[in-house]
Amino acid sequence: GEDVEQSLFLSVREGDSSVINCTYTDSSSTYLYWYKQEPGAGLQLLTYIFSNMDMKQDQRLTVLLNKKDKHLSLRIADTQTGDSAIYFCAESPLASGGSYIPTFGRGTSLIVHP
Amino acid sequence: NAGVTQTPKFRVLKTGQSMTLLCAQDMNHEYMYWYRQDPGMGLRLIHYSVGEGTTAKGEVPDGYNVSRLKKQNFLLGLESAAPSQTSVYFCASSYGVIEAFFGQGTRLTVV
Repeated sequence: GEDVEQSLFLSVREGDSSVINCTYTDSSSTYLYWYKQEPGAGLQLLTYIFSNMDMKQDQRLTVLLNKKDKHLSLRIADTQTGDSAIYFCAESPLASGGSYIPTFGRGTSLIVHP
Repeated sequence: NAGVTQTPKFRVLKTGQSMTLLCAQDMNHEYMYWYRQDPGMGLRLIHYSVGEGTTAKGEVPDGYNVSRLKKQNFLLGLESAAPSQTSVYFCASSYGVIEAFFGQGTRLTVV
C-alpha cells in the first residue's frame, strides 16, 4: 500500500465525529473506497466514491474527495463504540494488462472511548 | 450463498514445508486476489487473476505461486515456507471495480 497513505491511529470519544484521512497517488483510479475491518474478520466495503464526485453522504458517513490534492476523507458522525475497527482507504489504479486492481493503505485503527 | 470461503483458517508450518491455501467464491466473479496483512503494513497484493486460467503478480509475489484452473477457485501455494511468510492471508473476489468481497482470512505461522 505504498501509494495510499493513512495515519495509523485515531482515538475519539463516543458521540463525537471521527475524521479519517487518506492520500493517494494514482490519477487513473476511477473509484476510491473505504473498507472496514472488525477484529478477526475480513474487510467489508463501507462506501465508495466515483472520481468525478466531490462528496458522498450515506447516513452517518460522509466522504470528501479533493482530486487536486489527491486527498480522501471519511467522516463518521455520532461515533459509537461499535465503530471501533480498522478503516482502509483504497484506490483502483489501472494495472498493466488493462485491469483495475484494488490497492489498500495501511489502515487507520479507530478507537472509540465511552 | 457463502460468498468467499478460505481454507484452512489456521495453520502452523515448519520452515521448508509446503502448503496450499484454497479460496472459493460462489458469486461468479471474474477477478480474484490474494493479499497478506502484516501489522503496520496494511494489505499487500501477492497475486491476482482476472479470469479462469490467468494469473498475474502483485506487489509481493516472491515465494508464492497461484493457480486459477476453475473460475470459482484461486489457490495460493507456498513451496518452501519461511518465517517471513508468517502473516494473515486474505482472499478476495470482485465482478468489476465497485466492490471486493473478502474471505475471513487464514492465519499462518511458520516456525
